[in-house]
Amino acid sequence: ETGVTQTPRHLVMGMTNKKSLKCEQHLGHNAMYWYKQSAKKPLELMFVYSLEERVENNSVPSRFSPECPNSSHLFLHLHTLQPEDSALYLCASSQEPGSIEGSPLHFGNGTRLTVT
Amino acid sequence: SQKIEQNSEALNIQEGKTATLTCNYTNYSPAYLQWYRQDPGRGPVFLLLIRENEKEKRKERLKVTFDTTLKQSLFHITASQPADSATYLCALGGDSGGGADGLTFGKGTHLIIQP
Repeated sequence: ETGVTQTPRHLVMGMTNKKSLKCEQHLGHNAMYWYKQSAKKPLELMFVYSLEERVENNSVPSRFSPECPNSSHLFLHLHTLQPEDSALYLCASSQEPGSIEGSPLHFGNGTRLTVT
Repeated sequence: SQKIEQNSEALNIQEGKTATLTCNYTNYSPAYLQWYRQDPGRGPVFLLLIRENEKEKRKERLKVTFDTTLKQSLFHITASQPADSATYLCALGGDSGGGADGLTFGKGTHLIIQP
């Protein structure tokens, strides 16, 4: 158990579907993140929330829409995705946002998304 | 642009030997470096953090070095075991060019410990 729970573990969706990924952290952390992991590529940061406020959006297409209703929950809403969006989507949390202290990231086990 | 390089090929090591993984970086002045382990179908798990003013850090069979002159970190696993087989990611942070979480990840090195 990592302390960060993601659902669903696997998702197959068509390009016209709308779906949501869910993440919940049980660690009392103040920051939450969405990362994308594609084969043979480094982890790509998508969104960062600090105390429920979005602090980073790394030029992510608008077909990905994050939501952070409280410090324990994070969602990623998906609509009209493309096949190249197929990847492992990882949620993470850390005690403090930002880079100064080097707070380790605690990752969930991800949602394996396939867009057909 | 900032670049992190890790051994691109899989690393095969005999059980009981020391496995050494390399993380090189360019165009970066990180304040710290982190190492993560990732198993298939799982998220990365944090292992160690080393700061720019630290030469070496140890945790059980793990040892990390950080040479800011060479712009390199080495990650050692002594007395390696088949259970150590996984992908190991290095991540740099604390540079003024970093994002809100300050971490830039390498692609990872796939380590295979053979019995």
